[in-house]
Amino acid sequence: DTAVSQTPKYLVTQMGNDKSIKCEQNLGHDTMYWYKQDSKKFLKIMFSYNNKELIINETVPNRFSPKSPDKAHLNLHINSLELGDSAVYFCASSQKAAQYFGPGTRLTVT
Amino acid sequence: GQQVMQIPQYQHVQEGEDFTTYCNSSTTLSNIQWYKQRPGGHPVFLIQLVKSGEVKKQKRLTFQFGEAKKNSSLHITATQTTDVGTYFCAGPSQGGAGNMLTFGGGTRLMVKP
Repeated sequence: DTAVSQTPKYLVTQMGNDKSIKCEQNLGHDTMYWYKQDSKKFLKIMFSYNNKELIINETVPNRFSPKSPDKAHLNLHINSLELGDSAVYFCASSQKAAQYFGPGTRLTVT
Repeated sequence: GQQVMQIPQYQHVQEGEDFTTYCNSSTTLSNIQWYKQRPGGHPVFLIQLVKSGEVKKQKRLTFQFGEAKKNSSLHITATQTTDVGTYFCAGPSQGGAGNMLTFGGGTRLMVKP
């Protein structure tokens, strides 16, 4: 059983479009996250979500918005996609210190 | 803002050689975590260090947290091809709010058989 899963694995879309990436964790963790990893492998935290408390990295554009329908899911919505949004997006979850990452979604904006 | 830096960026070693990556934070950290990401994979948690001067071992891997809690290192003894990947250190960001982490830039380890 996959602990943290993401769909889709690959996403190719055009500039200006709106897209969503889904994330689910079956670990019973309280906190979920979204990270962006660029082509140079830099990992940047975007959001942390715990029990309806959302903490946002101030550098993240407001075109990005996480939505949590329940404790096991944290989806990422992106509006008006730009070329610079191309990256691998990782979802993660944690209960204490260790964060468990999903397999990633490679987003390509053309 | 807080910065976490790692050196070197890349390291090529011959199988059997030792490897060390160093992590430095611009601020004092309450704890530091290490992750490994295999090529094409996702980051996998390795360990957390909490105490000043703490040293922990996992088989051939030795992790150390500096006395000032601003730096850390990961040392691999006698590397194997299975050690290939990018090693990241990470410390709490934004004062630890939401358990958010700031990751270092990573050290990419390549091992020649």
